[in-house]
Amino acid sequence: LAKTTQPISMDSYEGQEVNITCSHNNIATNDYITWYQQFPSQGPRFIIQGYKTKVTNEVASLFIPADRKSSTLSLPRVSLSDTAVYYCLVGERGNYQLIWGAGTKLIIKP
Amino acid sequence: DGGITQSPKYLFRKEGQNVTLSCEQNLNHDAMYWYRQDPGQGLRLIYYSQIVNDFQKGDIAEGYSVSREKKESFPLTVTSAQKNPTAFYLCASSIGFNEQFFGPGTRLTVL
Repeated sequence: LAKTTQPISMDSYEGQEVNITCSHNNIATNDYITWYQQFPSQGPRFIIQGYKTKVTNEVASLFIPADRKSSTLSLPRVSLSDTAVYYCLVGERGNYQLIWGAGTKLIIKP
Repeated sequence: DGGITQSPKYLFRKEGQNVTLSCEQNLNHDAMYWYRQDPGQGLRLIYYSQIVNDFQKGDIAEGYSVSREKKESFPLTVTSAQKNPTAFYLCASSIGFNEQFFGPGTRLTVL
């Protein structure tokens, strides 16, 4: 199972773009990269998933370089409500055992 | 509305007691999971089930038990053998590896 490394915490300000990078040096060929967001005392919520290059949806973008050893979650124009913990996971489709690290605690300031 | 429900939201247990946490989903997902989360930590997998009447141990199954008699339900029992059960428990379901949908969680406290 691939392991991921993320910064423990990050600060930013409302209206800024925030980039959170995840390192996964041992990612396997069949592994996908998935990001979740978690607010205090709530279950995590899926944000985005990708395999390579760039994926964009209505809330975020995911950038994955060619070597796939890292990935960057980009949150455009953050607001105070984006203050949460963000988790990066890697795993193979059909692999039900995922490793959740401690995540990145993102604090957005006014 | 489709989703996952967990009950109760808060649960208090005396030492030596078994307690059962409920998890129900109406998303028609085959896979269901139980996680434990301690303060400031990530999620740790307790048990998971890919289909009815089948389940596998996760990383920290000791002191816990589950059943999967119906597709919609995956209850977790925290037994007296679990020495440090105070934690936030999360249930999730999914189709394959993709997006996992989580319930609101149950916070268990041992008195």
